[in-house]
Amino acid sequence: QAGLTQPPSVSKALRQTATLTCTGNSNNVGNLGAAWLQQHPGHPPKILSYRDGHRPSGISERFSASKSGNTASLTITGLQPEDEADYYCSAWDDSLSARIFGGGTKLTVL
Amino acid sequence: EVQVLESGGNLVHPGGSLRLSCAVSGFTSTIRAMNWVRQAPGEGLEWVSGINFVNGKSNYADSVKGRFTVSRDSSKNTLYLQMNNLRVEDTALYYCVGEVAGWDFDSWGRGTLVIVSS
Repeated sequence: QAGLTQPPSVSKALRQTATLTCTGNSNNVGNLGAAWLQQHPGHPPKILSYRDGHRPSGISERFSASKSGNTASLTITGLQPEDEADYYCSAWDDSLSARIFGGGTKLTVL
Repeated sequence: EVQVLESGGNLVHPGGSLRLSCAVSGFTSTIRAMNWVRQAPGEGLEWVSGINFVNGKSNYADSVKGRFTVSRDSSKNTLYLQMNNLRVEDTALYYCVGEVAGWDFDSWGRGTLVIVSS
C-alpha cells in the first residue's frame, strides 16, 4: 500500500522553528487530514495532533498542525533538546479502506 | 483514559502461527476503534489491522490480508490478532493502539515482539 511522503530528516537549531511536511493525495490527507505522532527511541509513539488539528491535553502549544490541499504540516516552535525524535503522520485512505503512515521524519535539534 | 497491554509475542518459524492479545482497561466505553500497528527493527510504523467499535467493521493492510485476523472479546475487554502463515518480513514490534478521544491513534501500548525466523 502506498504511504504518505515525509522528508527523512530535518535539522534545526535550538529555539528555532521546524516545519515538518506530509504529502498525500485527495483520497487521504486532502480528504480528512492527517494526525501527527512523536516517537523517542525505545518508546511507543505519542499523538501530538488529531487530524482536525486538535491537540490532546498535555501537548505543548509549541506543536501546531495545519493542512493545505494534500499536504499536512506540523510546526514546532522554540525547539528544545527533547523535541529531537522521529515524527510520523497518519491518515485514513478512502480508496484503500486502510490506515496509512508516512515514512517518518527524524528531527535533529542542533 | 484507556490503558492497553499487549502479550503473546514470541519466536516462531516461517509458516507458523501466533496469537497476540491486547488487554484494555480504563474508560473502555469511550473507545471508537482498536488497531494493531507494527514496527520492524529500525523501521517506520505500519498499520496492520483495525476494528471499528461503532460499526463492527474490520480492515486489513494488503500485506497481511488473508493471513491475519483481528477479533475482540467484549466481555474480557480484549483484542486479538491471529497471525497465520507467518513470514520473515512479519518480524516486528506489534503495538495495540486505541482510538479514544478522536478517530486517530491516541492510546498506545508498549508493544509485543514477534520474531519470525528459522
